[in-house]
This record gives sequence, structure tokens and C-alpha cells, in this order.
Amino acid sequence: SQQGEEDPQALSIQEGENATMNCSYKTSINNLQWYRQNSGRGLVHLILIRSNEREKHSGRLRVTLDTSKKSSSLLITASRAADTASYFCATVGNGNKLVFGAGTILRVKS
Amino acid sequence: GAGVSQSPRYKVAKRGQDVALRCDPISGHVSLFWYQQALGQGPEFLTYFQNEAQLDKSGLPSDRFFAERPEGSVSTLKIQRTQQEDSAVYLCASSAYRAGGYNEQFFGPGTRLTVL
Repeated sequence: SQQGEEDPQALSIQEGENATMNCSYKTSINNLQWYRQNSGRGLVHLILIRSNEREKHSGRLRVTLDTSKKSSSLLITASRAADTASYFCATVGNGNKLVFGAGTILRVKS
Repeated sequence: GAGVSQSPRYKVAKRGQDVALRCDPISGHVSLFWYQQALGQGPEFLTYFQNEAQLDKSGLPSDRFFAERPEGSVSTLKIQRTQQEDSAVYLCASSAYRAGGYNEQFFGPGTRLTVL
């Protein structure tokens, strides 16, 4: 079963705008990760944030984590057409397996 | 270097047929995972190997699903008597193993299974 919810389910923006996606989860976690998936490159790891971290940056990506609310957000700044893809959050608890959300479909229009 | 590879990339099976899906992990990666991704959903965990040992098979949906990794490298996911609800993309991932820390999983391109 999926870990939690992601919203929005779908997002359509213009190139250059920022995109924000949110993820909620249900159980305690060791870390939370964000992945991108498109037909060309499969499932690609973007960024990992540990449970004791609150914010992390990587290039145009900014991830926040609020363990008290069991939620995370992914911000993509200055979006590009190549960012068009599905984005998934995934949590890791005590074991090694990833528990994914249902994903957000992002479309960046040029 | 080579990433995770999976074969076949596409498989069409008639209901009731048996199928075998292959995963070649990154060389030297100790851990191997199988996930199932239904259309419009996120991947769901099926099973996990550390070397040849299957340590977690809690996600296998029924006893028709069987996975093996006999020599601790290549893995095969077998589905017996396929049903239409088995139609999905089957993803394989591998990771190195470092005790006490999280090890990033690298995903293969997946096998898209369609059961008619």
C-alpha cells in the first residue's frame, strides 16, 4: 500500500515558473527521498533528506521536511520543459525498502 | 559504468501463462529490490535480497509470485498463471551495502507486463 498522499495530483505551469509539490506520510521515517520518472530515463533519484534535517538544497531543488506534520515539499525553481515528468516522494523506515507516494504529474509548458 | 538492466523491456502474456522477468544489478551491489508499479501509481515494494538471501518478501501479492537470486547477482521474478491484475511495470533496483547508513537504490528501466 502507498505510504501517503501527494498533492497536487497534476500541475501545469509555464517555463520559468516555480513548481511546488507536497507529500504526506503515515509512519515514522529514517529519511525521505524525491524521485523523478519519465519515459526517457526511468526512475531517477533527486534528493534525500534525513529525519533530523528540515531543509535541503540541490541546484534548482529545495526540499523541506516537517516530521511533526509528517509532510515534505519539493520546490523546483525556474522550471524548464525538461522538468516535465512524474515526481514521487518515498520514505525509508527501519528497513531498506522504499515506500512511495502516488506521485505528482508536472507539465512545464514552453 | 553500466547501470541496472532489465529484460525483457516489454512482455505480453495471455492470462494463465507463466512469465519470468530478469534483473541484472550494478556489479558488486549486494542489495536487490523488486517493485511493482501499476498505471498511474507509485512503485510498491515486492521483495528484497541481500546477496542470495531473500530477507523480505512481504510485498509479494500472492503465492503466484516468486523471486530468486541464486548466485547473489542476477535475479529473476517469476509470475505463475498470470492474471490481468498483474499488468504493471516491474522495477528492479540495486544498492551497495554500508552498515549503519542508508544506501541509495539505483533503478532499472523496468519491464512492462501486459496480461491479456
